[in-house]
Amino acid sequence: SQQGEEDPQALSIQEGENATMNCSYKTSINNLQWYRQNSGRGLVHLILIRSNEREKHSGRLRVTLDTSKKSSSLLITASRAADTASYFCLHDMRFGAGTRLTVKP
Amino acid sequence: DGGITQSPKYLFRKEGQNVTLSCEQNLNHDAMYWYRQDPGQGLRLIYYSQIVNDFQKGDIAEGYSVSREKKESFPLTVTSAQKNPTAFYLCASSITGGFIYTEAFFGQGTRLTVV
Repeated sequence: SQQGEEDPQALSIQEGENATMNCSYKTSINNLQWYRQNSGRGLVHLILIRSNEREKHSGRLRVTLDTSKKSSSLLITASRAADTASYFCLHDMRFGAGTRLTVKP
Repeated sequence: DGGITQSPKYLFRKEGQNVTLSCEQNLNHDAMYWYRQDPGQGLRLIYYSQIVNDFQKGDIAEGYSVSREKKESFPLTVTSAQKNPTAFYLCASSITGGFIYTEAFFGQGTRLTVV
């Protein structure tokens, strides 16, 4: 079973806009992680947020965690065409279904 | 270079045959994992191993087998019992099991096609 559910399934934006992806989960967590996958490739780790953290930043990425709602969001600011990829959340060794982001130049 | 290597990149299997996908890591990680990804979908956990000589079934273990005789290696065998094996297979490793405190490192995947 996939414990993380993500929305939206697909997101299309223009370069320079912000992209927000959401992930919900069902069980308690130690941490939640976000990964990126370019088409047909392996996954690359983006950011890890621990259960006692509420927000974390890394460059143009901002991740929030709301343990009361069992949800997390990934915000990519000032998007670029190179951000086009699928994004997945991970916790308890299970991945969400992912959000396919397309950034149009 | 430290990393995790999967081979081959592409693999073709005839129906009824067993095939083995290789996964090797030189990161000195204790834990290793296998995931399956179908087109346009997320990753599903097949098997994982938190330590040498031990492994557990994930969510879709039927038709698959693994071994963990060495810390560096976690091969996955897709048996003839797996009815729909065509998929993209990803191997991962982490310092400790369950990704509890650390990130996962992924190989570049093996694309298996049944012909």
